[in-house]
Amino acid sequence: LAKTTQPISMDSYEGQEVNITCSHNNIATNDYITWYQQFPSQGPRFIIQGYKTKVTNEVASLFIPADRKSSTLSLPRVSLSDTAVYYCLVGDLITGGGNKLTFGTGTQLKVEL
Amino acid sequence: NAGVMQNPRHLVRRRGQEARLRCSPMKGHSHVYWYRQLPEEGLKFMVYLQKENIIDESGMPKERFSAEFPKEGPSILRIQQVVRGDSAAYFCASSIQGTDTQYFGPGTRLTVL
Repeated sequence: LAKTTQPISMDSYEGQEVNITCSHNNIATNDYITWYQQFPSQGPRFIIQGYKTKVTNEVASLFIPADRKSSTLSLPRVSLSDTAVYYCLVGDLITGGGNKLTFGTGTQLKVEL
Repeated sequence: NAGVMQNPRHLVRRRGQEARLRCSPMKGHSHVYWYRQLPEEGLKFMVYLQKENIIDESGMPKERFSAEFPKEGPSILRIQQVVRGDSAAYFCASSIQGTDTQYFGPGTRLTVL
């Protein structure tokens, strides 16, 4: 299982764009990159998933460079309600080995007025 | 669409008692995963089940813990003779296939007195 490294915490203000970068130097060919969001006392919520280049949905964008050794979650114009812990995970979603998700300590994002 | 359901949301047990945690996956999902989260830590994988089968229990403690996912009804995580160290949040996730995105329930917070 590829290990991930992300900042412990980040601070931002409402209306700003937030970019959280995750390093996964030993990512394998079959590994996908997935980001989850977790609020206190709640289960993780799926945000976005990708394999390479760029993925965008209604919530966020995920940028993955060609070497796939890192990825960046981009949250456009954050609000107070985006204050949460964000987890970056890598796992094999092709052969099924990625079903054992490995969560690190995540990045605590704090958004202020 | 109802999400992953877990009950009870909070469970208090005295040392030596049994704890039973229930998880109903999302409609159409036949794969269930259990994770444990200690305070200030990320989630740790415990067990992966399909209907009537345990696929991967590599994260389960060898003693006192067991899990099942019967043909009918919810998945059950059972902890016998609980100890204070079992106090944690237990999350269940489900997916359509083993290679698909996992969606998490709200968790059960177990407190052992």
